[in-house]
Amino acid sequence: GQNIDQPTEMTATEGAIVQINCTYQTSGFNGLFWYQQHAGEAPTFLSYNVLDGLEEKGRFSSFLSRSKGYSYLLLKELQMKDSASYLCAVMDSNYQLIWGAGTKLIIKP
Amino acid sequence: GAVVSQHPSWVICKSGTSVKIECRSLDFQATTMFWYRQFPKQSLMLMATSNEGSKATYEQGVEKDKFLINHASLTLSTLTVTSAHPEDSSFYICSAQGGREADTQYFGPGTRLTVL
Repeated sequence: GQNIDQPTEMTATEGAIVQINCTYQTSGFNGLFWYQQHAGEAPTFLSYNVLDGLEEKGRFSSFLSRSKGYSYLLLKELQMKDSASYLCAVMDSNYQLIWGAGTKLIIKP
Repeated sequence: GAVVSQHPSWVICKSGTSVKIECRSLDFQATTMFWYRQFPKQSLMLMATSNEGSKATYEQGVEKDKFLINHASLTLSTLTVTSAHPEDSSFYICSAQGGREADTQYFGPGTRLTVL
């Protein structure tokens, strides 16, 4: 079966760095996405990785290792507004998105 | 670019009535649109995938006669919840694919449906 694993919840301190991991087992791979979802709102697109390596976008970076079926989202200089759920999703060989359950990130002052 | 709108943002209706939700891609042509449902503190659940001009593909367990999807144009898809019941109360979110990054799904803001 297809499976996306990410931690249920993480806590970090304002101004710090946090890494949210995602491992996947899917039938084929056509890219990995990270989305941010604030409570009561729809997800917003953060990043897309299809090749191995690190993609940096401001305070957020996303890393992919296809051979390990592994990705992480790195958030630097954490701000209170970064408190949200972070969803990892993989596009399989049929170009269908397989969603992880999301990681709830709690930022403390 | 890649903006998706959804209307209405919230709706309250009586049990047994039908509710239509619109999803529009504002600045791009969406080759595919998706409808999701999300219950409180739960993951996104894909309900159906639709391509312009063809019938929607429903996920297992989703009643196609209850959740009618029409994808009349490359910028508009509608979801009609027919004969709504309290258990249909949920957050319904659409997404559209075909923006500047072709495989990326861009989400609408969601519609919160409450059925009394």
